[in-house]
Amino acid sequence: AQSVTQLGSHVSVSEGALVLLRCNYSSSVPPYLFWYVQYPNQGLQLLLKYTSAATLVKGINGFEAEFKKSETSFHLTKPSAHMSDAAEYFCAVSDQGGNKLVFGAGTILRVKS
Amino acid sequence: DTGVSQNPRHKITKRGQNVTFRCDPISEHNRLYWYRQTLGQGPEFLTYFQNEAQLEKSRLLSDRFSAERPKGSFSTLEIQRTEQGDSAMYLCASSFVRGKTGELFFGEGSRLTVL
Repeated sequence: AQSVTQLGSHVSVSEGALVLLRCNYSSSVPPYLFWYVQYPNQGLQLLLKYTSAATLVKGINGFEAEFKKSETSFHLTKPSAHMSDAAEYFCAVSDQGGNKLVFGAGTILRVKS
Repeated sequence: DTGVSQNPRHKITKRGQNVTFRCDPISEHNRLYWYRQTLGQGPEFLTYFQNEAQLEKSRLLSDRFSAERPKGSFSTLEIQRTEQGDSAMYLCASSFVRGKTGELFFGEGSRLTVL
């Protein structure tokens, strides 16, 4: 069975500061890993995905994530936070068959001016 | 707009009533998924279709829940004899998969409130 743990249900950063959202996964098979963002009253939007190619994955809006097999981690980072980054972020794992995604509980990012 | 469309966006019902949600996926997407999201939690998988075939159902999907995708296009999720614990956001997603994982595109969800 696959699972995802997101450390920290709420993260607060100042505008311009580094954003680091943590995700650890458990999977018995090589995983596909995803980060989604959800703005209030909107659907989930894909930020980036890891599909066994490059371990450093770049996504939209300046976000990136690094797959570290030894640490079973897929943390999301952005060098400089913007007010528009305030949202809820979900990490998800899938097997390579892509039958379904298993999501973490989410991390709400707050950006302070 | 050619994204995933869900209707209704909000539904308030009394306990014991039946409700039905509709999802129109992105055209030509062969897979359609239903998820449920409760406050403070990530989306939980309910079921998915490959074209018109329902290939997997979560144990979360009790016998009061039924989903269909009759012609491999739109899908409906019906909840019979609703309970207060059914209150949640019901998310639909679609993808085009040929071999490996396709990106899931999510709709904006249908929020159910059971009084």
